[in-house]
Amino acid sequence: GQNIDQPTEMTATEGAIVQINCTYQTSGFNGLFWYQQHAGEAPTFLSYNVLDGLEEKGRFSSFLSRSKGYSYLLLKELQMKDSASYLCAVRDANYQLIWGAGTKLIIKP
Amino acid sequence: ETGVTQTPRHLVMGMTNKKSLKCEQHLGHNAMYWYKQSAKKPLELMFVYSLEERVENNSVPSRFSPECPNSSHLFLHLHTLQPEDSALYLCASSQEYGRAADTQYFGPGTRLTVL
Repeated sequence: GQNIDQPTEMTATEGAIVQINCTYQTSGFNGLFWYQQHAGEAPTFLSYNVLDGLEEKGRFSSFLSRSKGYSYLLLKELQMKDSASYLCAVRDANYQLIWGAGTKLIIKP
Repeated sequence: ETGVTQTPRHLVMGMTNKKSLKCEQHLGHNAMYWYKQSAKKPLELMFVYSLEERVENNSVPSRFSPECPNSSHLFLHLHTLQPEDSALYLCASSQEYGRAADTQYFGPGTRLTVL
């Protein structure tokens, strides 16, 4: 079967750095997405990786290793507003999106 | 601000009621999606429409009935639901279904409670 694994919950301190991991086992690979979802709100697109390596967008970076079936989302200079759930999703060989259950990130002052 | 709107935001219904969820996208996209989101579970894809034609129906019970009258609007008609159907129902749209980098944009969801 196809599977996406993410930690259920993480806690970090304001101003610090946190890395949220995502591992996947899918039938083929056509890219990996990260979304942010604040409680009671819509998931919003953060990043899309299809090639190995690190992509940076401001305070957020996303890394992909296709050979290891692994990605991470790196958040720097954490702010209280970064408290949210972070969803990892992989597009498989049939172009279906396989979703993880999400990681709830709690930021403490 | 999202280009995808959903109404109502909250809905409480009995098991014998009939109700409809509405989604509208203002992004000029060609594909629209219904998802079910339950606590601590992955998003469950329910239906996909591309250019107003249904292209996916992922073993969803017949008590859920989608309708896509045009590329900007999507409905989910509900009847004789069960308490386990209580969840957040998310609508999404994307530019072109079936493309690897095609990004989905979500509405804020309808929080459904079935009594």
